[in-house]
Amino acid sequence: RKEVEQDPGPFNVPEGATVAFNCTYSNSASQSFFWYRQDCRKEPKLLMSVYSSGNEDGRFTAQLNRASQYISLLIRDSKLSDSATYLCVVNFMNTGNQFYFGTGTSLTVIP
Amino acid sequence: GAVVSQHPSWVICKSGTSVKIECRSLDFQATTMFWYRQFPKQSLMLMATSNEGSKATYEQGVEKDKFLINHASLTLSTLTVTSAHPEDSSFYICSALGARRYEQYFGPGTRLTVT
Repeated sequence: RKEVEQDPGPFNVPEGATVAFNCTYSNSASQSFFWYRQDCRKEPKLLMSVYSSGNEDGRFTAQLNRASQYISLLIRDSKLSDSATYLCVVNFMNTGNQFYFGTGTSLTVIP
Repeated sequence: GAVVSQHPSWVICKSGTSVKIECRSLDFQATTMFWYRQFPKQSLMLMATSNEGSKATYEQGVEKDKFLINHASLTLSTLTVTSAHPEDSSFYICSALGARRYEQYFGPGTRLTVT
């Protein structure tokens, strides 16, 4: 079983739509959680960290459910510039500092 | 935010040659850096963890003698792909851990094409 699993999509949504991505992780000892955004042929860029209490940054809301071992990302009022691949990243430090990436979810926002 | 650079950003080399990729943390010190490889339409795959002043830790299946990693200073790690072959063609990305050691900052990546 993969450490981190994501629905690869693609998600094609119209501008202004609300879209949600989920990600599940297998290691219950995971400590930190992140959403990264990766544009085509570019490096990943940190979008937001995910905290147990949930956190919001503008149109983006991230939530963590430790009991069910999943994290989510909600994007409201989608913009064309939101088109990218969204990567779920999980970190734990059982044996060194390890980060595990999901395969990414592709989002295309359509005019 | 923290800035990480990579050089070169793009390289084409002939099969059998070696290529060195540099990863630098520009405005912070990074005792730990990571090297990833990403093939088209696939996720990042961790190759190795580079720790300043000690040997790198390689992931299973990654040949340490083929992918040489050196982390001689707190701001520089290098990855050398030795005797490169076409199957080594990929997007190589480094990252560095910031002061809050659960956040990674990525370099812009190096696109390697071996002909």
